[in-house]
Amino acid sequence: IAGITQAPTSQILAAGRRMTLRCTQDMRHNAMYWYRQDLGLGLRLIHYSNTAGTTGKGEVPDGYSVSRANTDDFPLTLASAVPSQTSVYFCASSDSSGSGDEQFFGPGTRLTVL
Amino acid sequence: AQSVTQLDSQVPVFEEAPVELRCNYSSSVSVYLFWYVQYPNQGLQLLLKYLSGSTLVKGINGFEAEFNKSQTSFHLRKPSVHISDTAEYFCEEYGNKLVFGAGTILRVKS
Repeated sequence: IAGITQAPTSQILAAGRRMTLRCTQDMRHNAMYWYRQDLGLGLRLIHYSNTAGTTGKGEVPDGYSVSRANTDDFPLTLASAVPSQTSVYFCASSDSSGSGDEQFFGPGTRLTVL
Repeated sequence: AQSVTQLDSQVPVFEEAPVELRCNYSSSVSVYLFWYVQYPNQGLQLLLKYLSGSTLVKGINGFEAEFNKSQTSFHLRKPSVHISDTAEYFCEEYGNKLVFGAGTILRVKS
């Protein structure tokens, strides 16, 4: 069982370019999340999805969009990347969103926007 | 606003010494609390969680944490650390929303 996979592992991107970070889970979890991790700020929630077909905004959603067409996949898109979006991005999933379930994290995508 | 405060950004400690990593949460409603560990260049892994019941929670790798509602704290402890415990530790609160603390880097020295 792979758990959660993220792609790419790392990426250097020119400002203004569009980029999609991919996330796939094989645990049939209902809830999925995208976080960004920045030094001294911990993890901040960008967007989440409680179940396939629904999404919601987290703490720092501006400049990002997500979709949840099926249970397994939860891509994160930067429509026009800016240098402040340089960060490490983590995708996570949990069985549900409201019962204190453990989140399972992917290995992360390191994104640099120049 | 909901917030999680990890009071120390870095904690250096010698091998086999005890350690406490401090976490204060803010939610006044029923809350779930978690501690996660992140080893270098990896994602986060769950150490332990408090949902309800006994205020002393035991987790993996010999870690434990105590939920203290009156002090709104959920400090993580280990009686004797190993070099392999060197990592970054995150406290997370789930009240009305998910909130992580800024993290504490534990550096275990030989």
